[in-house]
Amino acid sequence: NAGVTQTPKFQVLKTGQSMTLQCAQDMNHEYMSWYRQDPGMGLRLIHYSVGAGITDQGEVPNGYNVSRSTTEDFPLRLLSAAPSQTSVYFCASSYFRGGSQETQYFGPGTRLLVL
Amino acid sequence: GQQLNQSPQSMFIQEGEDVSMNCTSSSIFNTWLWYKQDPGEGPVLLIALYKAGELTSNGRLTAQFGITRKDSFLNISASIPSDVGIYFCAGQYGTSYGKLTFGQGTILTVHP
Repeated sequence: NAGVTQTPKFQVLKTGQSMTLQCAQDMNHEYMSWYRQDPGMGLRLIHYSVGAGITDQGEVPNGYNVSRSTTEDFPLRLLSAAPSQTSVYFCASSYFRGGSQETQYFGPGTRLLVL
Repeated sequence: GQQLNQSPQSMFIQEGEDVSMNCTSSSIFNTWLWYKQDPGEGPVLLIALYKAGELTSNGRLTAQFGITRKDSFLNISASIPSDVGIYFCAGQYGTSYGKLTFGQGTILTVHP
């Protein structure tokens, strides 16, 4: 299994541009999540999905959209990039043991710079 | 939202020393997870804990799920230079599936 994959690895945007960060997993996990990591802030949840067609907001959802049309893919869209969205973005998928005990696996990250 | 207090924030140790870090929460957690992040990489799962009082080892790493379900610790024995990195605790509580809460991380530096 490739696990959780993310593309691109690096991206530079100008303020106001839009882009989509791709995330895919081949472990047949139902739950997928997007986090951003900023220095001194740890990982903060942006959006998550509990299955195809179902998404919900996390702690810092403003400026980001998500959709989940398949179990495997969970893209994150920036509609109009702002310098405050400069960050490292991680996608994760979750395995549940016994139906309720969650273990989350992370992708390698996308480093985004907004000028 | 939920907060996890992870300490210490950073550690500078000599190779061969043991390391201990912990996380505490004001809420009861169902799962505690410990991750390590190397520079430029995503967090990698080290140990998963699912039951209060559970003590689990992974090589030189040992982690425990606190009896109160509000804390967890991670020990690294006989540290080596490749242990350098950022260690995160994370927890899942209630029915907040897909929404892990993360500690701020412990930056570990190991001097040869």
